[in-house]
Amino acid sequence: GQQLNQSPQSMFIQEGEDVSMNCTSSSIFNTWLWYKQDPGEGPVLLIALYKAGELTSNGRLTAQFGITRKDSFLNISASIPSDVGIYFCAGRQTSGSRLTFGEGTQLTVNP
Amino acid sequence: GAGVSQSPRYKVTKRGQDVALRCDPISGHVSLYWYRQALGQGPEFLTYFNYEAQQDKSGLPNDRFSAERPEGSISTLTIQRTEQRDSAMYRCASSLARGEKLFFGSGTQLSVL
Repeated sequence: GQQLNQSPQSMFIQEGEDVSMNCTSSSIFNTWLWYKQDPGEGPVLLIALYKAGELTSNGRLTAQFGITRKDSFLNISASIPSDVGIYFCAGRQTSGSRLTFGEGTQLTVNP
Repeated sequence: GAGVSQSPRYKVTKRGQDVALRCDPISGHVSLYWYRQALGQGPEFLTYFNYEAQQDKSGLPNDRFSAERPEGSISTLTIQRTEQRDSAMYRCASSLARGEKLFFGSGTQLSVL
């Protein structure tokens, strides 16, 4: 089946540092989404990307849709303690098809 | 409603019992998805609906799992003859239309003893 390889699995950083995580696939996707999940809650959408090469920002978050359509990355600038959580990438191959999730990146921010 | 609502929040059952998990999507959302999430893993697709039509059920693990959405709104995921390996967080999500962004509920934590 479809697989999304997300890295790194976990990150431990100091408050104020920038963070980068990425997601790759052997298949082409036409939509990439990035979600954040806090303990005990469902994933919450951060950024949606719909076009190859697209670069989209949401506050301190920036995500890009890779030009090959097989990868995406998420950057978080000037991290703060509330950035702690699990970040998931998700991709969709065609409109209306299933959304496939990566395994997640656990982010820990030390004050 | 304001968000995707799932019930019950927690379900503990004995092996062999049937369970029904309910999802109430955001009002007006056409598409409804069921996912299963194991601890420390990403959500795993189970099935999804557009209106009342089940579009893809290829993610359902076996024939003990079924889902319905008879009136195109509330959906029920049913697991028959539960087994311990069915224990997981079951999450529902909805979207305004096909291919749109998914909004997740808080999930139902199922424990099969």
